[in-house]
Amino acid sequence: GQNIDQPTEMTATEGAIVQINCTYQTSGFNGLFWYQQHAGEAPTFLSYNVLDGLEEKGRFSSFLSRSKGYSYLLLKELQMKDSASYLCAVIGSGGYNKLIFGAGTRLAVHP
Amino acid sequence: GAVVSQHPSRVICKSGTSVKIECRSLDFQATTMFWYRQFPKKSLMLMATSNEGSKATYEQGVEKDKFLINHASLTLSTLTVTSAHPEDSSFYICSATTGIETQYFGPGTRLLVL
Repeated sequence: GQNIDQPTEMTATEGAIVQINCTYQTSGFNGLFWYQQHAGEAPTFLSYNVLDGLEEKGRFSSFLSRSKGYSYLLLKELQMKDSASYLCAVIGSGGYNKLIFGAGTRLAVHP
Repeated sequence: GAVVSQHPSRVICKSGTSVKIECRSLDFQATTMFWYRQFPKKSLMLMATSNEGSKATYEQGVEKDKFLINHASLTLSTLTVTSAHPEDSSFYICSATTGIETQYFGPGTRLLVL
Protein backbone atom coordinates (compact mmCIF):
# COMPACT_ATOMS: atom_id res chain seq x y z
CA GLY A 1 0.00 0.00 0.00
CA GLN A 2 0.89 3.65 0.02
CA ASN A 3 1.55 5.42 3.27
CA ILE A 4 2.73 8.86 4.28
CA ASP A 5 3.31 9.56 7.96
CA GLN A 6 3.82 12.86 9.70
CA PRO A 7 3.19 13.96 13.28
CA THR A 8 -0.35 15.13 13.96
CA GLU A 9 0.48 18.20 16.00
CA MET A 10 3.48 20.25 17.05
CA THR A 11 3.96 23.37 19.11
CA ALA A 12 6.82 25.84 19.02
CA THR A 13 7.78 29.27 20.28
CA GLU A 14 7.97 32.42 18.20
CA GLY A 15 11.52 32.98 16.94
CA ALA A 16 12.50 29.32 17.36
CA ILE A 17 13.23 26.60 14.80
CA VAL A 18 10.97 23.62 14.19
CA GLN A 19 11.46 20.51 12.08
CA ILE A 20 8.47 18.59 10.72
CA ASN A 21 9.28 15.05 9.63
CA CYS A 22 7.61 12.98 6.94
CA THR A 23 8.21 9.35 6.07
CA TYR A 24 6.71 7.70 3.04
CA GLN A 25 6.19 4.29 1.48
CA THR A 26 4.79 4.57 -2.01
CA SER A 27 4.78 2.53 -5.19
CA GLY A 28 7.19 4.65 -7.16
CA PHE A 29 8.55 8.08 -6.39
CA ASN A 30 8.64 11.12 -8.61
CA GLY A 31 9.04 13.91 -6.09
CA LEU A 32 7.91 15.19 -2.70
CA PHE A 33 6.08 18.40 -1.93
CA TRP A 34 5.45 20.43 1.17
CA TYR A 35 2.37 22.63 1.30
CA GLN A 36 1.16 25.06 3.94
CA GLN A 37 -2.55 25.27 4.66
CA HIS A 38 -4.23 27.77 6.95
CA ALA A 39 -7.59 26.79 8.36
CA GLY A 40 -10.36 27.09 5.79
CA GLU A 41 -7.98 27.96 2.98
CA ALA A 42 -6.41 26.03 0.12
CA PRO A 43 -2.86 24.70 0.36
CA THR A 44 -0.04 26.90 -0.84
CA PHE A 45 3.14 25.51 -2.34
CA LEU A 46 6.27 25.62 -0.18
CA SER A 47 8.83 23.28 -1.68
CA TYR A 48 9.54 20.46 -4.08
CA ASN A 49 12.31 17.88 -3.72
CA VAL A 50 13.09 15.17 -6.23
CA LEU A 51 16.81 14.68 -5.56
CA ASP A 52 18.47 13.93 -2.23
CA GLY A 53 19.63 16.86 -0.19
CA LEU A 54 18.55 20.15 1.25
CA GLU A 55 16.64 22.86 -0.61
CA GLU A 56 16.66 26.24 1.11
CA LYS A 57 14.16 28.98 0.42
CA GLY A 58 14.26 31.87 2.85
CA ARG A 59 13.08 30.81 6.30
CA PHE A 60 11.94 27.43 4.99
CA SER A 61 14.14 24.49 4.01
CA SER A 62 13.21 21.00 2.90
CA PHE A 63 15.33 17.87 2.96
CA LEU A 64 14.92 14.58 1.15
CA SER A 65 16.51 11.15 1.50
CA ARG A 66 15.06 8.80 -1.09
CA SER A 67 16.88 5.74 0.23
CA LYS A 68 15.29 6.28 3.66
CA GLY A 69 11.89 7.38 2.38
CA TYR A 70 12.26 10.46 4.56
CA SER A 71 11.85 14.20 4.30
CA TYR A 72 11.68 17.10 6.69
CA LEU A 73 10.55 20.69 6.52
CA LEU A 74 12.59 23.12 8.60
CA LEU A 75 11.07 26.43 9.62
CA LYS A 76 13.40 29.06 11.08
CA GLU A 77 12.69 32.28 12.94
CA LEU A 78 9.13 31.20 13.55
CA GLN A 79 6.39 33.80 13.32
CA MET A 80 2.86 33.66 14.63
CA LYS A 81 1.58 33.55 11.05
CA ASP A 82 3.39 30.22 10.59
CA SER A 83 0.67 28.59 12.68
CA ALA A 84 -0.94 26.32 10.07
CA SER A 85 -1.11 22.75 8.85
CA TYR A 86 1.86 21.49 6.87
CA LEU A 87 1.11 18.81 4.32
CA CYS A 88 3.66 16.35 2.99
CA ALA A 89 2.71 14.94 -0.43
CA VAL A 90 4.41 12.49 -2.77
CA ILE A 91 4.04 11.93 -6.49
CA GLY A 92 3.92 8.17 -6.91
CA SER A 93 3.89 6.17 -10.08
CA GLY A 94 0.18 6.44 -10.81
CA GLY A 95 0.52 8.81 -13.74
CA TYR A 96 -0.77 12.36 -14.21
CA ASN A 97 1.53 13.47 -11.36
CA LYS A 98 -1.11 12.50 -8.80
CA LEU A 99 -0.25 13.62 -5.29
CA ILE A 100 -0.61 11.34 -2.30
CA PHE A 101 -1.07 13.47 0.79
CA GLY A 102 -0.15 12.80 4.37
CA ALA A 103 -2.65 13.72 7.06
CA GLY A 104 -0.84 16.97 7.77
CA THR A 105 0.92 18.38 10.81
CA ARG A 106 -0.85 21.16 12.71
CA LEU A 107 1.77 23.59 13.99
CA ALA A 108 0.90 26.04 16.73
CA VAL A 109 3.35 28.90 17.30
CA HIS A 110 3.14 30.56 20.71
CA PRO A 111 4.55 33.92 21.81
CA GLY B 1 1.72 33.56 -11.90
CA ALA B 2 0.02 30.18 -11.49
CA VAL B 3 -3.28 31.43 -10.11
CA VAL B 4 -6.25 29.09 -9.81
CA SER B 5 -9.73 30.34 -8.99
CA GLN B 6 -12.81 28.53 -7.82
CA HIS B 7 -16.41 29.61 -7.89
CA PRO B 8 -18.43 29.75 -5.76
CA SER B 9 -16.37 30.03 -2.60
CA ARG B 10 -19.30 29.01 -0.47
CA VAL B 11 -22.65 27.42 -1.29
CA ILE B 12 -25.61 26.27 0.74
CA CYS B 13 -28.20 24.09 -0.97
CA LYS B 14 -31.15 21.90 -0.18
CA SER B 15 -30.88 18.15 -0.14
CA GLY B 16 -31.63 16.67 -3.55
CA THR B 17 -30.43 19.61 -5.61
CA SER B 18 -27.30 19.72 -7.78
CA VAL B 19 -24.40 22.08 -7.31
CA LYS B 20 -21.78 23.05 -9.88
CA ILE B 21 -18.31 24.20 -8.85
CA GLU B 22 -15.98 25.83 -11.37
CA CYS B 23 -12.20 25.68 -11.33
CA ARG B 24 -10.22 27.99 -13.59
CA SER B 25 -6.52 28.45 -14.23
CA LEU B 26 -6.22 32.19 -14.76
CA ASP B 27 -2.75 32.69 -16.17
CA PHE B 28 -1.70 29.33 -17.53
CA GLN B 29 -3.09 26.41 -19.49
CA ALA B 30 -3.73 23.41 -17.30
CA THR B 31 -3.24 20.06 -18.98
CA THR B 32 -4.53 18.34 -15.88
CA MET B 33 -6.82 19.40 -13.07
CA PHE B 34 -7.51 17.51 -9.88
CA TRP B 35 -10.50 17.55 -7.56
CA TYR B 36 -10.12 16.93 -3.84
CA ARG B 37 -12.40 16.99 -0.86
CA GLN B 38 -11.32 17.70 2.66
CA PHE B 39 -13.09 17.04 5.95
CA PRO B 40 -12.36 19.19 9.01
CA LYS B 41 -8.87 18.66 10.38
CA LYS B 42 -8.20 15.97 7.79
CA SER B 43 -5.94 15.93 4.79
CA LEU B 44 -6.92 16.18 1.15
CA MET B 45 -8.57 13.19 -0.45
CA LEU B 46 -8.18 12.96 -4.21
CA MET B 47 -11.51 12.40 -5.91
CA ALA B 48 -10.61 12.48 -9.59
CA THR B 49 -8.11 13.53 -12.20
CA SER B 50 -9.38 15.55 -15.11
CA ASN B 51 -7.72 16.03 -18.49
CA GLU B 52 -9.00 18.41 -21.13
CA GLY B 53 -11.14 16.69 -23.71
CA SER B 54 -11.21 13.29 -22.07
CA LYS B 55 -13.16 11.51 -19.37
CA ALA B 56 -12.09 12.04 -15.80
CA THR B 57 -10.33 9.28 -13.93
CA TYR B 58 -12.01 8.66 -10.58
CA GLU B 59 -10.37 7.31 -7.47
CA GLN B 60 -11.62 4.12 -5.94
CA GLY B 61 -14.79 4.65 -3.94
CA VAL B 62 -15.78 7.90 -5.65
CA GLU B 63 -19.10 7.67 -7.48
CA LYS B 64 -18.68 9.03 -10.99
CA ASP B 65 -22.42 9.45 -11.47
CA LYS B 66 -22.67 11.53 -8.33
CA PHE B 67 -19.62 13.70 -8.90
CA LEU B 68 -19.71 14.71 -12.55
CA ILE B 69 -16.52 16.25 -13.87
CA ASN B 70 -16.20 18.12 -17.12
CA HIS B 71 -12.93 19.54 -18.41
CA ALA B 72 -14.18 21.73 -21.23
CA SER B 73 -11.00 23.64 -21.96
CA LEU B 74 -7.39 24.00 -20.87
CA THR B 75 -8.45 26.61 -18.33
CA LEU B 76 -11.76 25.29 -16.98
CA SER B 77 -12.93 22.20 -15.16
CA THR B 78 -16.28 21.80 -13.42
CA LEU B 79 -17.42 19.48 -10.67
CA THR B 80 -21.16 18.91 -10.32
CA VAL B 81 -22.42 17.29 -7.16
CA THR B 82 -25.68 15.71 -8.23
CA SER B 83 -28.61 15.09 -5.89
CA ALA B 84 -26.60 16.43 -3.00
CA HIS B 85 -27.14 15.05 0.49
CA PRO B 86 -25.92 16.30 3.87
CA GLU B 87 -23.05 13.80 3.84
CA ASP B 88 -21.72 15.57 0.73
CA SER B 89 -21.09 18.68 2.82
CA SER B 90 -17.38 19.28 2.67
CA PHE B 91 -14.57 21.54 1.49
CA TYR B 92 -13.91 20.89 -2.21
CA ILE B 93 -10.57 22.01 -3.62
CA CYS B 94 -9.29 21.88 -7.17
CA SER B 95 -5.73 22.07 -8.36
CA ALA B 96 -4.17 22.54 -11.75
CA THR B 97 -0.86 21.63 -13.31
CA THR B 98 0.84 22.30 -16.60
CA GLY B 99 2.21 18.79 -16.64
CA ILE B 100 5.30 19.82 -14.77
CA GLU B 101 5.08 18.46 -11.27
CA THR B 102 3.79 21.34 -9.13
CA GLN B 103 0.06 21.54 -8.52
CA TYR B 104 -1.45 24.92 -7.82
CA PHE B 105 -4.54 24.94 -5.68
CA GLY B 106 -7.71 26.96 -5.91
CA PRO B 107 -9.11 28.70 -2.82
CA GLY B 108 -11.68 25.95 -2.24
CA THR B 109 -15.47 25.77 -2.15
CA ARG B 110 -17.28 25.12 1.07
CA LEU B 111 -20.48 23.16 0.41
CA LEU B 112 -23.22 22.82 2.99
CA VAL B 113 -26.19 20.63 2.14
CA LEU B 114 -29.20 21.12 4.36
